[in-house]
Amino acid sequence: AQSVTQLGSHVSVSEGALVLLRCNYSSSVPPYLFWYVQYPNQGLQLLLKYTTGATLVKGINGFEAEFKKSETSFHLTKPSAHMSDAAEYFCAVTFSGSARQLTFGSGTQLTVLP
Amino acid sequence: KAGVTQTPRYLIKTRGQQVTLSCSPISGHRSVSWYQQTPGQGLQFLFEYFSETQRNKGNFPGRFSGRQFSNSRSEMNVSTLELGDSALYLCASSLRSSAGYNEQFFGPGTRLTVL
Repeated sequence: AQSVTQLGSHVSVSEGALVLLRCNYSSSVPPYLFWYVQYPNQGLQLLLKYTTGATLVKGINGFEAEFKKSETSFHLTKPSAHMSDAAEYFCAVTFSGSARQLTFGSGTQLTVLP
Repeated sequence: KAGVTQTPRYLIKTRGQQVTLSCSPISGHRSVSWYQQTPGQGLQFLFEYFSETQRNKGNFPGRFSGRQFSNSRSEMNVSTLELGDSALYLCASSLRSSAGYNEQFFGPGTRLTVL
């Protein structure tokens, strides 16, 4: 079975500061990993994904994440937070045999302080 | 290209009633997946439909069902509603090719409130 743990249900950063949202996964087979963002009253938007290949992946809006197999982690970072980054972020995992059945973490609410 | 659309956006029902939610995928997408989002349980996979057949199912009771039509539009139905069914129901569509991963595109969701 696969699972995702997001450390920190709420994270606050100052505008311009580094954003670091943590995600650890458990999967018995090579995982596909994702970060989604959700704004109030909206659906999920894909920020970035890791399937195969380069372990450092870049996404939209300046976000990136690094797949570390030895640490079973896929942390999301952004060098400089913007007010518009305030939203809820979800890490998700699946594997090639069931690529449309995503298992999500519990989410991290990001607050950006002026 | 139009995104995934879900109707209605908001719905209020009472316990014991049934409800049907609709999802229209992105043109050309043949796979539709449904997810339930609640504050307590988070985002949970309900089921996936492809070529009018249910392909995967999550751990939900039989009160939750769905179907897919020949134009790939999908509906999900919840019978005998319970208070705990209050949630945001999200639909996602994808191409579902045989090669690797196909990105899922999510709709805005249907907010169901059960009174």
